[in-house]
Amino acid sequence: NAGVTQTPKFRVLKTGQSMTLLCAQDMNHEYMYWYRQDPGMGLRLIHYSVGEGTTAKGEVPDGYNVSRLKKQNFLLGLESAAPSQTSVYFCASSGLNTDTQYFGPGTRLTVL
Amino acid sequence: GNSVTQMEGPVTLSEEAFLTINCTYTATGYPSLFWYVQYPGEGLQLLLKATKADDKGSNKGFEATYRKETTSFHLEKGSVQVSDSAVYFCALTSNAGKSTFGDGTTLTVKP
Repeated sequence: NAGVTQTPKFRVLKTGQSMTLLCAQDMNHEYMYWYRQDPGMGLRLIHYSVGEGTTAKGEVPDGYNVSRLKKQNFLLGLESAAPSQTSVYFCASSGLNTDTQYFGPGTRLTVL
Repeated sequence: GNSVTQMEGPVTLSEEAFLTINCTYTATGYPSLFWYVQYPGEGLQLLLKATKADDKGSNKGFEATYRKETTSFHLEKGSVQVSDSAVYFCALTSNAGKSTFGDGTTLTVKP
């Protein structure tokens, strides 16, 4: 099993550009999450999903949108990137019967 | 809301030294408590967990005990190795699987 995978691994954007980060999990997990990690600030939850077709806002949702059209995929979109969105983005998933989260390897995004 | 406070780093130790990283939490109800580890360039991975008061989680020589009376979940290891160098995150999970993470503590072990 691949676990949780993220695409792409690295990306550089100019201010105002848009992009979509893809997260895929092959563990049949119900819950999926998007976090951003910034130096000295731990992980902050952007959006999450408790099942296919559902999404909810986390701690820092502004400037991001998400979609969960298929159970195994969770997409994070930036419609108009800003330098403040320079960060490392992690996707994670967890199952109904486990509260352990499984993380992807991360996407390092730089917005110039 | 829920919060997790963990010992500020960075922490630098010599090989075979004793490690303690403090973690305290604030939460409603009865959360599960976790320590995750992040190696350079990788995502977080579970190190150990405890789901109820007085439970002890252990893995790879690391231990942590769920102390409800002091709302703490301190991470300990008796003899650290160079390969333990990483960032350690304390976390709790309450409702709907949502987790709250501490800011992380960077551990460097020197030979």
